[in-house]
Amino acid sequence: EVQLVESGGGLVQPGRSLTLSCSASGFTFDDYALHWVRQAPGKGLEWVSGISWNNGVIGYADSVKGRFTISRDNARNSLFLQMTSLRVEDTAFYYCVKDVDSTMAFYFDSWGQGTLVSVSS
Amino acid sequence: QSVLTQPPSVSAAPGQKVTISCSGSISNIGETFVSWYQHLPGSAPKLLIFQNDKRPSAIPDRFSGSKSGTSATLGITGLQTGDEGDYYCGAWDTSLNAGYVFGAGTRVTVL
Repeated sequence: EVQLVESGGGLVQPGRSLTLSCSASGFTFDDYALHWVRQAPGKGLEWVSGISWNNGVIGYADSVKGRFTISRDNARNSLFLQMTSLRVEDTAFYYCVKDVDSTMAFYFDSWGQGTLVSVSS
Repeated sequence: QSVLTQPPSVSAAPGQKVTISCSGSISNIGETFVSWYQHLPGSAPKLLIFQNDKRPSAIPDRFSGSKSGTSATLGITGLQTGDEGDYYCGAWDTSLNAGYVFGAGTRVTVL
């Protein structure tokens, strides 16, 4: 069974940094692209960033480009999201999401339960 | 403001059918595949439909997808109380810097 477990969320002040982690199991980690998708309270889903199996292709939403960095460690079956210069509008549940393909096909077939990031002074 | 437009809500009685529309443009639905996701309260989102009309093996055939031009539709037949939740369409947008976009979501209510 595919399991994706996010961690690292919490309350942080505007302008500060935070790093999210996602620990994966139940599938061959380096066979698949991975993504972060977020959902602000009471709002819809927003794709944040994605990374292919070998780090060869990386993409970001315009709203986080230049502030967030996605990375993965295939030896540790882990996905990361470094978030800097955080803004109030970054407040959301952040989901770790598995793609159906090694490159970014953008079909999200497994999702974690999410970790909450709250940006507030 | 999402580039993919969905109705805020739809409702029907148990056993009935609902359809959810997703309207986009040439740069997204018109040129790429559409996916649909179900997000039930207290659960992680789930992939219902990919490549416009294909279902993952675990998804029952009560759920169907279609696409025509710059619009897509999700159909749910035999509506069940367990289907209550939010449904999102999604597609890659080929316009500059757009990335992957979701609709704002449609709340399905079983009367």
